Amino acid sequence: RKEVEQDPGPFNVPEGATVAFNCTYSNSASQSFFWYRQDCRKEPKLLMSVYSSGNEDGRFTAQLNRASQYISLLIRDSKLSDSATYLCASGTYKYIFGTGTRLKVLA
Amino acid sequence: GAVVSQHPSWVICKSGTSVKIECRSLDFQATTMFWYRQFPKQSLMLMATSNEGSKATYEQGVEKDKFLINHASLTLSTLTVTSAHPEDSSFYICSVPTSGISRLEQYFGPGTRLTVT
Repeated sequence: RKEVEQDPGPFNVPEGATVAFNCTYSNSASQSFFWYRQDCRKEPKLLMSVYSSGNEDGRFTAQLNRASQYISLLIRDSKLSDSATYLCASGTYKYIFGTGTRLKVLA
Repeated sequence: GAVVSQHPSWVICKSGTSVKIECRSLDFQATTMFWYRQFPKQSLMLMATSNEGSKATYEQGVEKDKFLINHASLTLSTLTVTSAHPEDSSFYICSVPTSGISRLEQYFGPGTRLTVT
């Protein structure tokens, strides 16, 4: 089993839709969790850290479920510009990245 | 977050030659930097942790004599791919960890795309 797993997608959604991704992790000792956005042939950019209490940044909401060992990312009111690959990462000092979930927002 | 640059952004080299990639932290003094490699449609794979003033620590399966890392200052780490082969063709990205709220957030450089012919 991979340490961090994500559904590769693609998730094709219409503009304005709400979409959610999950990411499971196997190391229960992991302390930190993140969501990154990666555009084609570019570097990952930090989207948001994931806190135990859950956190929201505009249209984006991240949550952590330690009991089931997964994190989630919810995107509301999807924009065309949200089309990208979303990577989750977990770890304590060194991070393990998932392979990413590809999102396509369609006009 | 940290602003990180890499040079070159892309490089094509012949098999058997060596290539040096620079990673600079422009606004943050980084005692540690990370080097990753990403093959097409695959995840980022951590190669090594670059430590300022001391030896790098390599992940299992990464040859330290092939991927030479030097972290001579708080703003610069270099990765040299020695005797490059076509299977070394990949996207090499460095990251700088900074302290977010109770956790280390990593900020990535723009990456270097290496093609070995």
